[in-house]
Amino acid sequence: GQQVMQIPQYQHVQEGEDFTTYCNSSTTLSNIQWYKQRSGGHPVFLIQLVKSGEVKKQKRLTFQFGEAKKNSSLHITATQTTDVGTYFCAWFRQAGTALIFGKGTTLSVSS
Amino acid sequence: DAGVIQSPRHEVTEMGQEVTLRCKPISGHDYLFWYRQTMMRGLELLIYFNNNVPIDDSGMPEDRFSAKMPNASFSTLKIQPSEPRDSAVYFCASSSTAANYGYTFGSGTRLTVV
Repeated sequence: GQQVMQIPQYQHVQEGEDFTTYCNSSTTLSNIQWYKQRSGGHPVFLIQLVKSGEVKKQKRLTFQFGEAKKNSSLHITATQTTDVGTYFCAWFRQAGTALIFGKGTTLSVSS
Repeated sequence: DAGVIQSPRHEVTEMGQEVTLRCKPISGHDYLFWYRQTMMRGLELLIYFNNNVPIDDSGMPEDRFSAKMPNASFSTLKIQPSEPRDSAVYFCASSSTAANYGYTFGSGTRLTVV
């Protein structure tokens, strides 16, 4: 069956360093979404990627969808303390169904 | 729009008691989802509705769990009887097929069963 792994589980960086989290699937994904959840908060939608090789940017955040649509990454340039939280990738097991969420990558940033 | 509204924010109950969680989705959204989040299992999909009709309840852990959506602006998730292992944060989320963006989550209900 389909397996999607999100790595790493945890990442600690110094403020100003870069950060990347990855989602890798054993099968082709129709699309992928990314969410951020702050401690004690709820997941907040960041972006959706649909096309093969797609790259989208939101300020210091860069999202990529692989050419084979089997992997995706979220890269944060020059992290800030406001970037702290858990980042989830999410995907549809089948078209028209509900999102399945990865285990998340928890980012901590020290100043 | 006030977003997805969940109540209560916190619930502490004794084992064996009935618990009802409530959700008001964003007006105009035609999908509603219930998720449960724990440290061990992460975010798990419990059930979702489309136009008030349950589509997939395969994530509901046991018959003790039930969910209803009597109209487009209200849904409930009920646990009867509750057990300590049900302790988790329960999130409701809604989305629209008309607008191709992600889910909007409520603030969640933190349930503690003692």
